[in-house]
Amino acid sequence: GQNIDQPTEMTATEGAIVQINCTYQTSGFNGLFWYQQHAGEAPTFLSYNVLDGLEEKGRFSSFLSRSKGYSYLLLKELQMKDSASYLCAATDSNYQLIWGAGTKLIIKP
Amino acid sequence: GAVVSQHPSWVICKSGTSVKIECRSLDFQATTMFWYRQFPKQSLMLMATSNEGSKATYEQGVEKDKFLINHASLTLSTLTVTSAHPEDSSFYICSARDHGQALADTEAFFGQGTRLTVV
Repeated sequence: GQNIDQPTEMTATEGAIVQINCTYQTSGFNGLFWYQQHAGEAPTFLSYNVLDGLEEKGRFSSFLSRSKGYSYLLLKELQMKDSASYLCAATDSNYQLIWGAGTKLIIKP
Repeated sequence: GAVVSQHPSWVICKSGTSVKIECRSLDFQATTMFWYRQFPKQSLMLMATSNEGSKATYEQGVEKDKFLINHASLTLSTLTVTSAHPEDSSFYICSARDHGQALADTEAFFGQGTRLTVV
């Protein structure tokens, strides 16, 4: 079956760095997305990886290893507004998005 | 970036009534839109895929007679929750992908979501 695993909850300190991991098993693979979702709001796009390696976008970076079925989202210089859920979603052979349960990130002062 | 507008943002209805939720792609054509439901502290759960001009494809366990989907144009899909009950209370979110671009790396744009409360 198809499965996406990511930690349920993480806590980090303002100004620090946090890495949110995601492992996936899908029927075929056409890339992996990371989305941010604040409570009561719809998800917003953060990144897309289809090739191995690191993609950097300001304070956020995303990494992919296709051979390991593994990705991570790296958040630097954490700010209080980064407190949110982070959703990992893999695209299968039918270009269907398979969603993880999301990682709730709590930022403490 | 592309915008998807969802309306209403929230609705409270009485048990047994029907509620219609609209999802519009404002600056792109979406031959396919997706309807999700999200219960508190849970991930998005795909309910159905809405295809313009044809019948929607429902996920296993989702009652097609209860959740009516109409995708009459390239920019509008509607979800009607019929005979709503308190257990249907949830956050409903639509999304669409711009099929004018390559499908694989096209991000899904989400509507604002609709908070449905059935009393």
